[in-house]
Amino acid sequence: QQQVKQSPQSLIVQKGGISIINCAYENTAFDYFPWYQQFPGKGPALLIAIRPDVSEKKEGRFTISFNKSAKQFSLHIMDSQPGDSATYFCAALAGGTSYGKLTFGQGTILTVHP
Amino acid sequence: AAGVIQSPRHLIKEKRETATLKCYPIPRHDTVYWYQQGPGQDPQFLISFYEKMQSDKGSIPDRFSAQQFSDYHSELNMSSLELGDSALYFCASSPDLVAGAITGELFFGEGSRLTVL
Repeated sequence: QQQVKQSPQSLIVQKGGISIINCAYENTAFDYFPWYQQFPGKGPALLIAIRPDVSEKKEGRFTISFNKSAKQFSLHIMDSQPGDSATYFCAALAGGTSYGKLTFGQGTILTVHP
Repeated sequence: AAGVIQSPRHLIKEKRETATLKCYPIPRHDTVYWYQQGPGQDPQFLISFYEKMQSDKGSIPDRFSAQQFSDYHSELNMSSLELGDSALYFCASSPDLVAGAITGELFFGEGSRLTVL
């Protein structure tokens, strides 16, 4: 079964709007949560990541919010731009036992209209 | 900056044939990971290597094997190919095992698209 559940599957946002993608996990051994951005025909690229001891992390227009008790985390893209149009994957890692064995969510196809 | 190099970028094979994918990690990265991404699917971890030794294993079929060589490049060998093996195969590297284990900071190549007819 999908250990990391991601929603929505697709998202359409107007330029300048806020894009929000949500993820939930079950495995409490997960202790690192990166987000990857993937453009068509390219490999995933690390966007931003968070540890569960932090409730929020911001890098430029990208913010991760983390709710440890609910086992949920989300990516917020502020002032969304057409260049942000891509597939976004949340992921989780059990760092103590998994060497780069990322568990990905199902992905969200983001389209930002000009 | 140098990135992860994968070859070939595209490969077409018939059922029951064999295929070999190659991965050249970023210079000074000694840890390599292989992922399989089916159409419209999320990447699935196959196998990883650190210092030429297998470090972790995921849902890799017994028909697949992989190794890492002395120059740290890696090869994924797939035999008795099935239609369901058609996918994008990504190789990723990290500076070392700790970086991959602790930060999830994997650098992905552009993938090798395998089509099995």
